[in-house]
Amino acid sequence: DGGITQSPKYLFRKEGQNVTLSCEQNLNHDAMYWYRQDPGQGLRLIYYSQIVNDFQKGDIAEGYSVSREKKESFPLTVTSAQKNPTAFYLCASSMGTAPGELFFGEGSRLTVL
Amino acid sequence: GESVGLHLPTLSVQEGDNSIINCAYSNSASDYFIWYKQESGKGPQFIIDIRSNMDKRQGQRVTVLLNKTVKHLSLQIAATQPGDSAVYFCAENWPEYGNKLVFGAGTILRVKS
Repeated sequence: DGGITQSPKYLFRKEGQNVTLSCEQNLNHDAMYWYRQDPGQGLRLIYYSQIVNDFQKGDIAEGYSVSREKKESFPLTVTSAQKNPTAFYLCASSMGTAPGELFFGEGSRLTVL
Repeated sequence: GESVGLHLPTLSVQEGDNSIINCAYSNSASDYFIWYKQESGKGPQFIIDIRSNMDKRQGQRVTVLLNKTVKHLSLQIAATQPGDSAVYFCAENWPEYGNKLVFGAGTILRVKS
């Protein structure tokens, strides 16, 4: 089955620790995205990548980092610099940069203890 | 209706009735709009999309209406079922920013049996 796989689904972290969330897609999509979702708010864009080895900051990139070494993989690192990291993180992909549907993973819930 | 902010509007409907979820968008340059459904703890699922050269598009039990004059989008669900209970998001693309999708805060739909 083609789709997007995020792992882990639940993650707990102590303050001051970095954590990396995995996102893998087998849809052969060029573009990949990371969104953050907080209760009562819409999805906010953290980072996106339109092609391998290239990525751009979204609206709330501070305290996060990404890499795009392979077309199918777009991991997100939540660093200790992120002031309020507890949230639901969603990875998505799309065929290209033209307007079109984003395909979402099932999300990763990060809780900082 | 839907608005960006901390309060999620809620729509309660009786099973079998029609539902109308509204969304106001902000960017006059947007030419692509999309509706997603999100169940608790899961990633958003595509419902229907529409391009700005159309004002109406129909799917299975769903219809999206676009009014560019007042920058308004609506999602109509016919014969609402308990399985339709979820949070519904609209999103618009921003062509001037690489066609990134900007999401509204969402509307909770509750279906009463």
